[in-house]
Amino acid sequence: DADVTQTPRNRITKTGKRIMLECSQTKGHDRMYWYRQDPGLGLRLIYYSFDVKDINKGEISDGYSVSRQAQAKFSLSLESAIPNQTALYFCATSDPDSQETQYFGPGTRLLVL
Amino acid sequence: ILNVEQSPQSLHVQEGDSTNFTCSFPSSNFYALHWYRWETAKSPEALFVMTLNGDEKKKGRISATLNTKEGYSYLYIKGSQPEDSATYLCAFPSGGYQKVTFGTGTKLQVIP
Repeated sequence: DADVTQTPRNRITKTGKRIMLECSQTKGHDRMYWYRQDPGLGLRLIYYSFDVKDINKGEISDGYSVSRQAQAKFSLSLESAIPNQTALYFCATSDPDSQETQYFGPGTRLLVL
Repeated sequence: ILNVEQSPQSLHVQEGDSTNFTCSFPSSNFYALHWYRWETAKSPEALFVMTLNGDEKKKGRISATLNTKEGYSYLYIKGSQPEDSATYLCAFPSGGYQKVTFGTGTKLQVIP
């Protein structure tokens, strides 16, 4: 079984809809992250959480919110989806014992019409 | 926002050729430098974690070197094979909590 899972894997939604992307991990890591990937722009950090009570904005947090429900779960919400949020979204955990090496989920491909 | 740059952006090589690409990063307050391999339709996977100036890491035909004083790392692939085709990302943890900044990657295509 995968250590970091994401649901859904693919999602099509309409402008203005609220959607939630979910991430679960079995690695036992405290630190979790949400990234988006756009062609030519690489991976950009949306939000990160260093433990259940610690949530921080990344470089592109506008239009997104997160919830850390437990050590193992970190969800990303788009409150009112817009077309330029069409992207590939990755959840990741990191291991402080290996200098924050990132372990990625399989990704969620989101299309906002 | 930190400047983590990779070059070239993309690369096509013939099977059997050796190749290398570069990651540059801020040289002050160095903590670590990561290399990831990202195959199409998959998620990035860690290749190397480098921490010391002069570090050299090797995994099969792939190796990496690190120069923290001048702020660069090289990734080398010896005798490229089609299965080496992927995007290679470097990443730089920094700041008090070691938040990670990724480069935009080098996309390698190995032509059989």
